[in-house]
Amino acid sequence: AQSVAQPEDQVNVAEGNPLTVKCTYSVSGNPYLFWYVQYPNRGLQFLLKYITGDNLVKGSYGFEAEFNKSQTSFHLKKPSALVSDSALYFCAVRALTGGGNKLTFGTGTQLKVEL
Amino acid sequence: AAGVIQSPRHLIKEKRETATLKCYPIPRHDTVYWYQQGPGQDPQFLISFYEKMQSDKGSIPDRFSAQQFSDYHSELNMSSLELGDSALYFCASSSNRALDTFGSGTRLTVV
Repeated sequence: AQSVAQPEDQVNVAEGNPLTVKCTYSVSGNPYLFWYVQYPNRGLQFLLKYITGDNLVKGSYGFEAEFNKSQTSFHLKKPSALVSDSALYFCAVRALTGGGNKLTFGTGTQLKVEL
Repeated sequence: AAGVIQSPRHLIKEKRETATLKCYPIPRHDTVYWYQQGPGQDPQFLISFYEKMQSDKGSIPDRFSAQQFSDYHSELNMSSLELGDSALYFCASSSNRALDTFGSGTRLTVV
């Protein structure tokens, strides 16, 4: 079985400061890892993914994430937060092979960026 | 670029009624997924189809059924609706395991 843990329900950060949203995963074999963002009453918007290759992946809107296999983590980061980044962030995992097709999501982290 | 289209955007039904949600995947995407997101919850996988055949099944109630048609659009049929079925239902499509594109969702409210 595959699972994702997002240990923080909410992260508060001041605009202009760096932000980190944490994610750890469990999956058999190698993972596909994703970050999605959800604004209120909206769909899931893709931010970035890790499939293979460089452990640091860069995505939309200045976000990046670092894949750490030994710690089974895929934390989302941004060097300088904006108020408009305030939203709900989901980490998700899919097994590279086998394990079915489904994405398994974490419980989400509400990011609040304040002036 | 074309996205995943879901209809309707909003749906209000009474208990014990039926509902049909539709999903039109991105052209040439061969896989469709359905997810249910309850209030304040993370999306939960319901069911998926690959090339019009069911490929994986999650926590989908027996009252729900789904299929993918020859034009690759998919429908989620929900019968004997319960208050607890009120949720945001997402459809996603993919042409490989590397990226799923989600629709904007259908918000179902059961009253």
